[in-house]
Amino acid sequence: EPEVTQTPSHQVTQMGQEVILRCVPISNHLYFYWYRQILGQKVEFLVSFYNNEISEKSEIFDDQFSVERPDGSNFTLKIRSTKLEDSAMYFCASSYTVETQYFGPGTRLLVL
Amino acid sequence: DQQVKQNSPSLSVQEGRISILNCDYTNSMFDYFLWYKKYPAEGPTFLISISSIKDKNEDGRFTVFLNKSAKHLSLHIVPSQPGDSAVYFCAASEGERDDKIIFGKGTRLHILP
Repeated sequence: EPEVTQTPSHQVTQMGQEVILRCVPISNHLYFYWYRQILGQKVEFLVSFYNNEISEKSEIFDDQFSVERPDGSNFTLKIRSTKLEDSAMYFCASSYTVETQYFGPGTRLLVL
Repeated sequence: DQQVKQNSPSLSVQEGRISILNCDYTNSMFDYFLWYKKYPAEGPTFLISISSIKDKNEDGRFTVFLNKSAKHLSLHIVPSQPGDSAVYFCAASEGERDDKIIFGKGTRLHILP
């Protein structure tokens, strides 16, 4: 069964460093998303991406964040200058229609 | 601002019995409701969904009920099995208008032997 994959599974970085989280969505999906879950809190929407552009972003998704679909298969989330509070589990999701989204296993980001 | 509320952080159910997980929402624009199951160190796995035009959707052991007037939905699992032990997230979206998913905080289900 096709699934969303994410790399790396874990990332440790120093505050102020740039990180790139990678996702390979399900191949025929058209809509792509990033969510995050800070430890002990609920899963929160970050950004949605459709037709090679951001369709919506949350307040969390400030100028330090960017997304890209560089080659038609990967979908990346870049955090330019990480902060301590960026430590979280980051989930990529994709969907064929706007309704049911399928999630990847997540990347655990720890900012020191 | 909790648009999707799961008021029970945990629930314990005997194996073989029915598990009922509840969820309330406040946004009347929600068009589509989903349940996700999550094991530790894994991403949320889609379980079952329901459109706002229906009041029930069934898939094997899982049934979701939607009461729009009460802004309430529930997930029934029957019979409950040990592998059902996980965190269950209720989630909702406005569908075509706004496809981002809003999650509840989750309910941890323990299936007891």
